[in-house]
Amino acid sequence: KNQVEQSPQSLIILEGKNCTLQCNYTVSPFSNLRWYKQDTGRGPVSLTIMTFSENTKSNGRYTATLDADTKQSSLHITASQLSDSASYICVVSASSYNDMRFGAGTRLTVKP
Amino acid sequence: DAGVIQSPRHEVTEMGQEVTLRCKPISGHNSLFWYRQTMMRGLELLIYFNNNVPIDDSGMPEDRFSAKMPNASFSTLKIQPSEPRDSAVYFCASNRANSPLHFGNGTRLTVT
Repeated sequence: KNQVEQSPQSLIILEGKNCTLQCNYTVSPFSNLRWYKQDTGRGPVSLTIMTFSENTKSNGRYTATLDADTKQSSLHITASQLSDSASYICVVSASSYNDMRFGAGTRLTVKP
Repeated sequence: DAGVIQSPRHEVTEMGQEVTLRCKPISGHNSLFWYRQTMMRGLELLIYFNNNVPIDDSGMPEDRFSAKMPNASFSTLKIQPSEPRDSAVYFCASNRANSPLHFGNGTRLTVT
């Protein structure tokens, strides 16, 4: 069983709308959690990093939250744009910073 | 910085042929990773190097796969002999301690 589960698997929204992507993990011990954005035909790019003590972090229209007690994270996208169409991958690091576990990703499509 | 550079971008080969994928990590990064991405399985770690030394190769699927990092600025992933089920996108990524992964744009491998 994957230690990082993402939902939904795919999502279609209209331009300008908000959306929230979910990541649940069982990785332990926990070091940090990152959200990556992967455009079609490109490699993933880091959006945010959350450590144990952080509850929320923003990067422009992207806001990530972390509840270390329930082992859940979310990525909220505000006022979506067509360029937000991509896969969003949740990556959780265990005690060693290079011991990373990947979620399967959420495929987001923003339509005009 | 040019980022992580992978070559070729696309590779089409016949079953049984040898395939060599190449990667130049970002200068100053001391860890290098090879991943395979498919629709069914998402991103899977194949092997990672730290200071040019292979640390974890448990993800290498079979003896047909091998990876080398002769110096800090170059790595290869070789498949010999290739099989149709090896068709996937292969990503190289690099980082330094506690920094996000920086991915190349991948090599799309098709084995017919």
